Amino acid sequence: SQTIHQWPATLVQPVGSPLSLECTVEGTSNPNLYWYRQAAGRGLQLLFYSVGIGQISSEVPQNLSASRPQDRQFILSSKKLLLSDSGFYLCAWSPLTGGFYGYTFGSGTRLTVV
Amino acid sequence: GNSVTQMEGPVTLSEEAFLTINCTYTATGYPSLFWYVQYPGEGLQLLLKATKADDKGSNKGFEATYRKETTSFHLEKGSVQVSDSAVYFCALAPNTGNQFYFGTGTSLTVIP
Repeated sequence: SQTIHQWPATLVQPVGSPLSLECTVEGTSNPNLYWYRQAAGRGLQLLFYSVGIGQISSEVPQNLSASRPQDRQFILSSKKLLLSDSGFYLCAWSPLTGGFYGYTFGSGTRLTVV
Repeated sequence: GNSVTQMEGPVTLSEEAFLTINCTYTATGYPSLFWYVQYPGEGLQLLLKATKADDKGSNKGFEATYRKETTSFHLEKGSVQVSDSAVYFCALAPNTGNQFYFGTGTSLTVIP
């Protein structure tokens, strides 16, 4: 069966520090991969999605970047964190034809920038 | 374009009350529709889905019917429990492309 792993679960980082969040999927090939952010008390904001290695689409211009160095690995990064980067970050995957099957989400990373 | 409009929260109900969370959508073509649930401190879990008009998705006592004529996918449960307290997201997946569209989420609190 397919599983998605996301880490770390929680992170407290000072303003101006770098960030690296990792997401891996097991049990499938060629998944679509997604990074979402959920600010406190708000809905989901799509940050990036990827349909293949090295292919990244950015939905919102911001202080973050994403990379997909391997088929089942998706990394969210920042060179210098801002206070506004605080939030709950969720990774998700779907089969290539995800419209029918839906997303499967990771358990999330709660990032607090201080 | 594609979008999802979801009932504003928060919603507070007593245990065993009837629940309805409204969701309407705008889409080109024939999308698939989903409800996700997020328990406190956790990621989102797929609750139910429907992939064509008049389909009814159901799970854990929750139901939603894909109504093309009213472009709606309202979530219902006949008798809520305290353990149903969570945030519920309605979502749409177009039949082409790779992106989902989520509603803003509705927070539900069930009190004993």
